[in-house]
Amino acid sequence: GAVVSQHPSRVICKSGTSVKIECRSLDFQATTMFWYRQFPKQSLMLMATSNEGSKATYEQGVEKDKFLINHASLTLSTLTVTSAHPEDSSFYICSARTSGGWETQYFGPGTRLLVL
Amino acid sequence: QKEVEQNSGPLSVPEGAIASLNCTYSDRGSQSFFWYRQYSGKSPELIMFIYSNGDKEDGRFTAQLNKASQYVSLLIRDSQPSDSATYLCAVKSSGNNDMRFGAGTRLTVKP
Repeated sequence: GAVVSQHPSRVICKSGTSVKIECRSLDFQATTMFWYRQFPKQSLMLMATSNEGSKATYEQGVEKDKFLINHASLTLSTLTVTSAHPEDSSFYICSARTSGGWETQYFGPGTRLLVL
Repeated sequence: QKEVEQNSGPLSVPEGAIASLNCTYSDRGSQSFFWYRQYSGKSPELIMFIYSNGDKEDGRFTAQLNKASQYVSLLIRDSQPSDSATYLCAVKSSGNNDMRFGAGTRLTVKP
């Protein structure tokens, strides 16, 4: 299957700082990428849909000014958690969708964020 | 009604048995159906996808789709302890930009 990478895999930061997470599709071009958040023992929660060259679409309840998404190329989307607080600590997972024919989503390995 | 429903489990089966995981969906316009496996602390991994009614087999895994009943299932034959994970059902309709995920079923295969 297609490969999606995420960096960093783990980050610890102080409250008030900003954290950038990168998501790359390594062997295919992804017009659309998705950002999810998952708290312990809970299901995936879609945060936003990222489309290359246009503004991201955020799910209800997700603050677009806090979670900045940039999808500058067909292989890279970034999520920046601005002014992070302890309640933002979570497992952030991106996924990229293949295009053409039957579309399939592949997930990155995730980024575990801990805000102290 | 949730768009994609799964029994949260836990579902426990002995090693070597068949594990049956079920999923129902509400959108009749759904076109493609996916099963992901998620180990604890890891991200979801695609196992299978199915688009047409009937069965689709891949190794020990069989996906079954019944669009009339809005039902999709995953069978795991000869279950192994390494199959212990949460299995996520995902559904995509032609009108939606994203997939809709179920909450997942936690499977435990006991040696």
